[in-house]
Amino acid sequence: EDKVVQSPLSLVVHEGDTVTLNCSYEVTNFRSLLWYKQEKKAPTFLFMLTSSGIEKKSGRLSSILDKKELFSILNITATQTGDSAVYLCAGPHYGGSQGNLIFGKGTKLSVKP
Amino acid sequence: GAGVSQTPSNKVTEKGKYVELRCDPISGHTALYWYRQSLGQGPEFLIYFQGTGAADDSGLPNDRFFAVRPEGSVSTLKIQRTERGDSAVYLCASSSGQRSEQYFGPGTRLTVT
Repeated sequence: EDKVVQSPLSLVVHEGDTVTLNCSYEVTNFRSLLWYKQEKKAPTFLFMLTSSGIEKKSGRLSSILDKKELFSILNITATQTGDSAVYLCAGPHYGGSQGNLIFGKGTKLSVKP
Repeated sequence: GAGVSQTPSNKVTEKGKYVELRCDPISGHTALYWYRQSLGQGPEFLIYFQGTGAADDSGLPNDRFFAVRPEGSVSTLKIQRTERGDSAVYLCASSSGQRSEQYFGPGTRLTVT
């Protein structure tokens, strides 16, 4: 059964710290892996990764995929209190449509001032 | 606004009642998805529409759940004979195509008493 496992489940850091969030994706037929940030209700899209070894970057956030190992990391440098959120990793479910995403439980990041 | 919108934002209903949750996707997005999220969990896939038709409804938990998208835009998720276990945040997302990133709405928090 396909599944997405994220670690750690929660993390507390101080402003200015750098954090690395992990996502492992056990899947029979890999297509893509997505990262979302969830504050309150709506998950906000961050990155979609399809190619191994190519880093995607947006401001202080970056992500990279190891397609062979089915593993991805999300890095946040110089963290700010506004980065506090749940970070979700997801990927298409094998046998389903591309839209049938399965999500990990998320990593809850708390950034203290 | 240009994002996905959902109404109502909160819905409290009694066990056994019927509810309808509405989703208005981003204009021009042909794909629409419904997910359900319980506390401390990632979103769980329910159903995916491509245009007017349900391309994948494998996530609907039972026949009390039904969704429609008659004109290929707005979608309604319908739950009959609600049970307390249906309480969750129901999220809607849309994308420009089957292989594109999904953009989420703010969700409807359903509470069944």
